[in-house]
Amino acid sequence: EAGVAQSPRYKIIEKRQSVAFWCNPISGHATLYWYQQILGQGPKLLIQFQNNGVVDDSQLPKDRFSAERLKGVDSTLKIQPAKLEDSAVYLCASSPRTALQETQYFGPGTRLLVL
Amino acid sequence: GENVEQHPSTLSVQEGDSAVIKCTYSDSASNYFPWYKQELGKRPQLIIDIRSNVGEKKDQRIAVTLNKTAKHFSLHITETQPEDSAVYFCAARQAGTALIFGKGTTLSVSS
Repeated sequence: EAGVAQSPRYKIIEKRQSVAFWCNPISGHATLYWYQQILGQGPKLLIQFQNNGVVDDSQLPKDRFSAERLKGVDSTLKIQPAKLEDSAVYLCASSPRTALQETQYFGPGTRLLVL
Repeated sequence: GENVEQHPSTLSVQEGDSAVIKCTYSDSASNYFPWYKQELGKRPQLIIDIRSNVGEKKDQRIAVTLNKTAKHFSLHITETQPEDSAVYFCAARQAGTALIFGKGTTLSVSS
């Protein structure tokens, strides 16, 4: 089966600019996650969707980050305006979220550098 | 909320030796504990996972043990090979929530 797709793979912007990332989860996966992975650290959840509804966005910096999952399939994550500390890899993951299938499958990530 | 501590942060072994990475978690409601391997510049890949109703699980050279009473779980890699070199992350979650990851262990296997 096809994996989680993300684009772009790399992005370089200047601080205060805006940027958007796109994720296409594995077909049929109801749950979609966006994680931020700063160099040398483990992934940290930004937002979790179940179908097109938000389950957890408690760690999303809502003054600058926004995300949506229209139609319960693809998702976009936006940063506006970007700060230097937003430099990180943004990972999208999806899972079937049935009782027996909890595995999260990660996409290749988008590497963001804010100058 | 859940907090996951992972040790050691770096681990160097000789090819053929065993490697052990340990994690502790804080939330007794957590019931799913996966381990991910991440090679440089690549996505995290699930290598093994364990649920709270199981104490040990093995898959070829990789095993995971879980002690619910002490709230810790460990990854064991036997007969290490150079291709095992990577960053390993443990994680924990309870039903309906996202994974909480440890900070990672950089494993280096020298031949």
